[in-house]
Amino acid sequence: GENVEQHPSTLSVQEGDSAVIKCTYSDSASNYFPWYKQELGKGPQLIIDIRSNVGEKKDQRIAVTLNKTAKHFSLHITETQPEDSAVYFCAASGNDMRFGAGTRLTVKP
Amino acid sequence: NAGVTQTPKFQVLKTGQSMTLQCAQDMNHEYMSWYRQDPGMGLRLIHYSVGAGITDQGEVPNGYNVSRSTTEDFPLRLLSAAPSQTSVYFCASSPPPRRNMNTEAFFGQGTRLTVV
Repeated sequence: GENVEQHPSTLSVQEGDSAVIKCTYSDSASNYFPWYKQELGKGPQLIIDIRSNVGEKKDQRIAVTLNKTAKHFSLHITETQPEDSAVYFCAASGNDMRFGAGTRLTVKP
Repeated sequence: NAGVTQTPKFQVLKTGQSMTLQCAQDMNHEYMSWYRQDPGMGLRLIHYSVGAGITDQGEVPNGYNVSRSTTEDFPLRLLSAAPSQTSVYFCASSPPPRRNMNTEAFFGQGTRLTVV
């Protein structure tokens, strides 16, 4: 089955700095790569996604890149704010959806 | 739409007890799945279903059963609870693939289960 690796497990940045989270996947059949944000006590919520026919996608301060050849994809958050502090998960979806282990992002004011 | 609704929100079980975690969605999604979330391990897929009457195992299915008799409901059963099943459980649903590509999963708020 699919195996998704996510790094780093924790990330601390100053407000206004950028944050980058990286993921790799193993199954070349995966065609959909979402990113989820999870706040304390809540279920994960989609923040951005990318499909395998696209290399990059941007939505305001967040962007995702996908390199299908290397089987890796990344989340970029620019101009970070304290409310960006949360746990972020990447996922890869083919026959089913598998998740990375998560990155705890802390944005210090 | 209520989205994905999970009940109960919290549950404490004794070792060996059985229970069913309920999951219902009102978005007419074909695909539903159950995950467990443990510290440092992210979300691990337990079982999933691509439609009524069809279920399949994920990466950690042992100790859990599922059924899918309707599109709306996807209950998760623990037949004989063990302390290793202490976790937060999330149910998710997804619409069918678009242009042969998968789509977003919508998550419930989770069930925090403790087995003592």
